Parts: sequence; C-alpha cells; structure tokens
Amino acid sequence: GAVVSQHPSWVICKSGTSVKIECRSLDFQATTMFWYRQFPKQSLMLMATSNEGSKATYEQGVEKDKFLINHASLTLSTLTVTSAHPEDSSFYICSALDWGLEPYEQYFGPGTRLTVT
Amino acid sequence: AQKITQTQPGMFVQEKEAVTLDCTYDTSDPSYGLFWYKQPSSGEMIFLIYQGSYDQQNATEGRYSLNFQKARKSANLVISASQLGDSAMYFCAMREGGFGNEKLTFGTGTRLTIIP
Repeated sequence: GAVVSQHPSWVICKSGTSVKIECRSLDFQATTMFWYRQFPKQSLMLMATSNEGSKATYEQGVEKDKFLINHASLTLSTLTVTSAHPEDSSFYICSALDWGLEPYEQYFGPGTRLTVT
Repeated sequence: AQKITQTQPGMFVQEKEAVTLDCTYDTSDPSYGLFWYKQPSSGEMIFLIYQGSYDQQNATEGRYSLNFQKARKSANLVISASQLGDSAMYFCAMREGGFGNEKLTFGTGTRLTIIP
C-alpha cells in the first residue's frame, strides 16, 4: 500500500510557542490530505481537509488561525499549531487520499504526539 | 444522532476464537462506504477492509470479513482465528456521498484484547 510519513513523531514544546508538523506522501501524489486529532482513549476527529494549491477547509469548531494548514505541493502538507497551549496536547494524525485507486481510501501517517508544557 | 456507533468499548477474546465487532451507521445518502481500521498501541491507523453501499457481496480480506446488513444499517467486522497480534483498537468509519466527498466519520472504537 501507499506510504505516508509524518515528522516529527513526537514533540514537546512550551506554552505560547508554535509547532509545525509535516505530512508527506512518499510514493504517490496526494492532492487531498486530511488532518485529525485524537485525544487519549477517544476517536479520531477530523480537523480540516487540505487541498493542494488552495485553502484548507476546516471543520466546525476548529480555529483556522490557530491551526494553520499549508498544502504547498502534491506530496507535502503541514500543520502549524500556533501559540500552543496545554489543551492542544494531543495525537495529530494526517492522511493522504490516493485518487488513483478505488475505493479512494485514505492512507494514514504514523501520527505526531504533541505535548505542550 | 451519531453517524457511526460502536457499542462495545472493550472485548476480551480467547486466542484462535472468532470475534465480531459491532458497527451501526446512520445516513440518508444512498451512496456511502464503510471502512474498518485497526490502531495498535503505536498509534498508526491500519486499513483492514472496505464495503461500498452498492456492493452485492460482503467484503473479505484474509481473516477479516465484513457482515454487511444494509437494511439494518450494520457493518460488523468478523475476525476469524484471532491472534495475539490482533489486540488493538478497532474503528469503524463511514464516507458519505459519491466521488468528491471523501471525509471519514469515525466511531468511538472497540478495544480488543486477545487472551493467550
């Protein structure tokens, strides 16, 4: 199957700083990527849909100014958590959509664990 | 109403036995897809199986099969001959609408523990 990487796999930052998370599709072009957040023992919640070359579409309740998404190329999307606070500590997972193969499944990255102190 | 409901927060199953993980869904869209993912403790999401709403046959992938009952809006995952490595969280997810609407809605998950 297709491979999606995320970097970093874990990060600890101080409150008030910004953190950038990268999501790359390694062996296919992904015009559409998704960003999810998962709190401990909870399900995945979609934060936003990232389309290459256009603005991201955010889900209701997600602050677009706080979670900046940039999908600058067909293989890279970035999520920047700006002015991070302890409540932003979570597991962030990206996925990339392979339009070339039905059922157009999403391939998930390994996730990034963010801890804000 | 919840779009995806998984009523079993946790299950314990003896190794080599079959296990059924329940999933019911709610949609008024005639075109939809149902996915099952496995999430081990490492956190990665592993795709297991897919069932389209128009598929006539139940999906199967190795030891995984999907018991799709459209009228009941259920899409239960069946794992045959369970193994210790099957211990993980399992999520049912739905994609509504046709081509161009690829967002997934996930259920709350079931934690499966295989007992040796």
